[in-house]
Amino acid sequence: DIQMTQSPSSLSASVGDRVTITCRASQSISSYLNWYQQKPGKAPKLLIYAASSLQGRVPSRFSGSGSGTDFTLTISSLQPEDFATYSCQQSYSTPWTFGQGTKVEIK
Amino acid sequence: QVQLVQSGAEVKKSGASVKVSCKASGYIFSSYEIHWVRQATGQGLEWMGWMNPNSGNTDYAQKFQGRVNMTRNTSINTAYMELSSLRSEDTAIYYCARGDSVSGYGFHYYWGQGTLVTVSS
Repeated sequence: DIQMTQSPSSLSASVGDRVTITCRASQSISSYLNWYQQKPGKAPKLLIYAASSLQGRVPSRFSGSGSGTDFTLTISSLQPEDFATYSCQQSYSTPWTFGQGTKVEIK
Repeated sequence: QVQLVQSGAEVKKSGASVKVSCKASGYIFSSYEIHWVRQATGQGLEWMGWMNPNSGNTDYAQKFQGRVNMTRNTSINTAYMELSSLRSEDTAIYYCARGDSVSGYGFHYYWGQGTLVTVSS
């Protein structure tokens, strides 16, 4: 199985901050990398697929980059509604493993 | 609009089985895989497997091989996930999610609302 490791596990940030979350795969997954946002009590919401393709209704302050084994999710200017947990997922091969999640909290 | 509506919360004893349903609407059920993902309280997301509603073919994560069975009833556009030999570590929210793709890149855009399964001893 491909292992996905996110860092950090949690972070504290202020509204307006630039936030970067990283995800590392245990082997090359090309660009088969998705990012999800999840709020308490809710199902995950797709933000980015194919490493850098923004899902249609997601604000442009979110961006994704990377290929191979190293990937990044960036929020250019953190908004109040962005405080949530973010998870990466590889869809290169089954099982489609997830990272352990990064909780973004208010500073 | 596309919807995945799951069955309600379940409480089961250790060793028992649970069967969670996921009713699809708003699209052609047989055209998209249904995946199952679970999340224990305070933990990350865990992919369990997927089923092709057209063929019935399945692909399970090795961790669940022998304990999970994903099926469907195409006449009512419903997918099922049955997990047997339940233990306390199986207490989690179970989600169904549609397998979508663009240019071969797979992802989950549509999700069910989740079903809480609690396993007690």
